[in-house]
Parts: sequence; structure tokens; C-alpha cells
Amino acid sequence: GAGVSQSPSNKVTEKGKDVELRCDPISGHTALYWYRQSLGQGLEFLIYFQGNSAPDKSGLPSDRFSAERTGGSVSTLTIQRTQQEDSAVYLCASSLGGQGTYNSPLHFGNGTRLTVT
Amino acid sequence: EDQVTQSPEALRLQEGESSSLNCSYTVSGLRGLFWYRQDPGKGPEFLFTLYSAGEEKEKERLKATLTKKESFLHITAPKPEDSATYLCAVRHIKAAGNKLTFGGGTRVLVKP
Repeated sequence: GAGVSQSPSNKVTEKGKDVELRCDPISGHTALYWYRQSLGQGLEFLIYFQGNSAPDKSGLPSDRFSAERTGGSVSTLTIQRTQQEDSAVYLCASSLGGQGTYNSPLHFGNGTRLTVT
Repeated sequence: EDQVTQSPEALRLQEGESSSLNCSYTVSGLRGLFWYRQDPGKGPEFLFTLYSAGEEKEKERLKATLTKKESFLHITAPKPEDSATYLCAVRHIKAAGNKLTFGGGTRVLVKP
């Protein structure tokens, strides 16, 4: 596709349920990022994937959060036992990666708005 | 720890009234400062990258400048379609990949 695609666009879930958020990056982009944007807050880094390297998970807020990237393309962010404080917009971005691309801009999807009731 | 602070938090302008947004940062080794525009319900859209003090970039009514401690986004003769949240982000020289640290944004409303 032309841009980063995220699904679903909106998700309402009950506290304690698990949710999966999907990201389909721009074709050819080897780097993929997840960010979280809470109401009135800036973007908070969650996790970064580059090719086949081990992901940088330093931003994941708790062990209830995990992410995987299959085949170097599509990524899924999973939140287990959701809590109300998990309510936010989850944004995925992709960019060129590897040597010589260190300032390649991030291209964002439109996010998944998660509401935990 | 890298910190990015944007001011003001919100800005209301009349159409044609030029103004500037500020992004101040504390990064021990800057490897790029980025400006993004975000419309409601959308993801951030890339505008500019600045690499070194003294650098300037322009796009239509927007002009971004960079010093050693801050960046400014100047909006010249804004139009209502310039209404958006403008986000500033920095990349630390040791950051993994192109991982960015974002400021809280400035919400700009341009009234006709």
C-alpha cells in the first residue's frame, strides 16, 4: 500500500481482556516502531524492530505489553489483561533502516484508538 | 535523559497573523531534529529534518530553524488549513535506529 496501515482504527474492550493491534508498514521499510499517544500527551516510544535484529523493547511499560513482527513486515502489538490506563492511541511507524539511513523520517499510520472500559 | 519541550501548548491566530512555535531540547548528542504536523484523528505527517545549528528548511508558509538549544517553526501569513498540532522530535546520536523522542506538541488554530 501507499502508506502505513493500522487496524482496527478503533477498539473498545473490557478491563482484563487481551487485545491485538495490527500494523502493515510501507513496502521496503525494514524499520518499524510502535508509539503510544495518550490524551494531551506527547508520543511515547514503545518498541522498535529493525530487520532480523533483536527488537528494542525499552519503552514497553509493563510485561503485559508485547509485540512481534513476522517475516520482517506486519507487526502485532498485544496488550494482555488490559487496564483503563492503557486507553490511548497506538501509533505505528515505519522507515528505511540499516546503514546510511539513520535520519530517514518515520512515516506514521493513523493509529488505533483503544478504549478500555 | 533526552528532553523536548514545546511552547506554547496552544496558539490561536487570525488568518494572516504570523507567529513562531518553540521547541527546546536537552540532548547530549543531537543527530537530527524533526518537525511533524498532526491533524485530528490522523498520524503525524513528516515536515522537516534539521541536522545542525544554523540550518533552515522551508515548505510553503512554514520555515524551521535550528540553534544549539532550540528550534523554531515560523508560520508566515497562516491560513485556516494550517490549523493542526505541530510536533517536534529529536534523535539522540546513540539512539537505536531512528527512534525519536517527542515533545508534547503545540496546537495551532487559525481563524478566518
